[in-house]
Order: sequence, then C-alpha cells, then structure tokens
Amino acid sequence: DGGITQSPKYLFRKEGQNVTLSCEQNLNHDAMYWYRQDPGQGLRLIYYSQIVNDFQKGDIAEGYSVSREKKESFPLTVTSAQKNPTAFYLCASTPVSGLFNSPLHFGNGTRLTVT
Amino acid sequence: GNSVTQMEGPVTLSEEAFLTINCTYTATGYPSLFWYVQYPGEGLQLLLKATKADDKGSNKGFEATYRKETTSFHLEKGSVQVSDSAVYFCALMPGAGGYNKLIFGAGTRLAVHP
Repeated sequence: DGGITQSPKYLFRKEGQNVTLSCEQNLNHDAMYWYRQDPGQGLRLIYYSQIVNDFQKGDIAEGYSVSREKKESFPLTVTSAQKNPTAFYLCASTPVSGLFNSPLHFGNGTRLTVT
Repeated sequence: GNSVTQMEGPVTLSEEAFLTINCTYTATGYPSLFWYVQYPGEGLQLLLKATKADDKGSNKGFEATYRKETTSFHLEKGSVQVSDSAVYFCALMPGAGGYNKLIFGAGTRLAVHP
C-alpha cells in the first residue's frame, strides 16, 4: 500500500541535541511538507519542498533544517536553536505541486519530547 | 491575509445527536476548502473538500457547503457515532499561487458518548 511513513513514532532527546525526523513516501508525490502541531493549536508549516533539491521556509522555519535529495524522502532536523521543540510533527505530501486544490496526504506523525 | 476560524471545543454529544462545527475563513481570491479529521495518535485524514462556491463536499455522512457570501464551510452530520470522536480541522488552500500550502484552523475536539 502506498503512503507516508514517519519514524520513529516517539522520540526523546536532551536539550541541546540536534535530532532528525524521518519522512518517506512511496506515492510518487512531487511536493512534501513539514507541519508542527501543538495542543489546542492548528498545524503550522515549517518547511515545504516542491521538487528535489529545492525547498522553502514556511511560517515557523527558525531552528529547523531540511533536505530533499530524493523525491521520496524529506527529513527534518530539529536543531538546538529551536527554543521550544517539544511537539507533534507531521509530514505530508501532494501529487502535483502548483495545483491549488490537491489535498495533502499525511503521515502518522512523530511526537518529539525534549527535556 | 488568509486565515481560518473554527468554533472552540470540546464539543460533547450523545450518540445519534446532530453535529455542527462552525468554520469561517478569510481569503483573497478563490480558495479551496477542506475538512480533515485526526484520530488519537494519528496524522490527519482528508474528510471532504469543496473547490468552488456552492459546492457541497460529503463523505461518511458528513457534509459541508462552501458559502462564499458568508465565507463559511460548516461541518454537519445528522447522527454521530462514538467512532466519530476525534479532532476536526477546517483548512483552506489559497487560489492559484498558493502552492498547496494549507492554512489550518485550531481544530475542534468532538467527544461522542454512548
């Protein structure tokens, strides 16, 4: 079955450490996204990528970095510069970038806890 | 700018009750509108969508109509079940040039009791 795989489901880190969240899709989608979800808030866009080797900052990119070396992979690194990294992180993809009504497909998320 | 406002939750209903979750939006141009559902510990799933004014999206007994005159996209279901307990997100995608960037409301938690 095609889908988006995020791993791990739960991740624990000490403050000051960088951590990388994995996102892999086998849907052959062009565009991929990272969102952050905090309790009682909607999703906020961190980074997105429309094609391989290209990505743009979303609304809350500070303290995060991404890469898009392969179409199917879009890992997110949460750096020590992110002041409040504990959150639920969701990866998503769409089949064709630029079509404004293609719905996003989401992975099941990674819950990151930093202490 | 573009934004989405949803009614605050939690919404608590008995099984078979009628559900309405209000959603209003602000947007330039002609956005597409979506409802997503999130079950505990999972990602979001598309529930329904509407791409132009007066379109009605429907799925699994849920419906929402794109009302341009009131800038609304309220979610309704005639008879809820315990299995409908989840968080519901209203979202908009700006028109051409929005590059599939969804803008989400804060979410509304629905709890249905037997």
